[in-house]
Amino acid sequence: AQSVTQLGSHVSVSEGALVLLRCNYSSSVPPYLFWYVQYPNQGLQLLLKYTSAATLVKGINGFEAEFKKSETSFHLTKPSAHMSDAAEYFCAVSRYNQGGKLIFGQGTELSVKP
Amino acid sequence: NAGVTQTPKFQVLKTGQSMTLQCAQDMNHNSMYWYRQDPGMGLRLIYYSASEGTTDKGEVPNGYNVSRLNKREFSLRLESAAPSQTSVYFCASSVGTGQLQETQYFGPGTRLLVL
Repeated sequence: AQSVTQLGSHVSVSEGALVLLRCNYSSSVPPYLFWYVQYPNQGLQLLLKYTSAATLVKGINGFEAEFKKSETSFHLTKPSAHMSDAAEYFCAVSRYNQGGKLIFGQGTELSVKP
Repeated sequence: NAGVTQTPKFQVLKTGQSMTLQCAQDMNHNSMYWYRQDPGMGLRLIYYSASEGTTDKGEVPNGYNVSRLNKREFSLRLESAAPSQTSVYFCASSVGTGQLQETQYFGPGTRLLVL
């Protein structure tokens, strides 16, 4: 069965510091992986997705993620945090035998301190 | 384009009352989804529609019904609301009929409180 685990429900960084949000997946087949962001009182929007074309995926707002098959990880990073990055971040994997349905992780809330 | 819209934005119900959450998309997408979001649990799929006239159960369908009224609209109905259905509900859509790599586009959500 496929699953996604996000390590850390809350992460706090200082403005200008590195952002690292962790995501590990479990899948018996090559996965399609996604990172979505949810700003306060809004819906989710796509940050980036891995579809096997390249292991380092660049997304919007300076975020990127690296697919590491050996570690079954898809961690999200940004070199320098900005106050506007404060949001909740969700990692998700496509259900291989159920089309486009997504399995979401529990989410990581990112706080950015001035 | 408005994208995905949801009504109402907020609703308070009493236990046993019924209501319908409305969702519409103007992107000519084929697939539409209903999720619920609860603290510490991420988003869980309630129902899914790969095309007009078809619906399929997700992880947590009990207590809900859906209707894919046409290509644009996908409604979620609570026949007899329970406090356990207090949640934030999100509608989403995607362009295809359920390919693995599709991006889903989300509405702003409906906050439902069942007393």
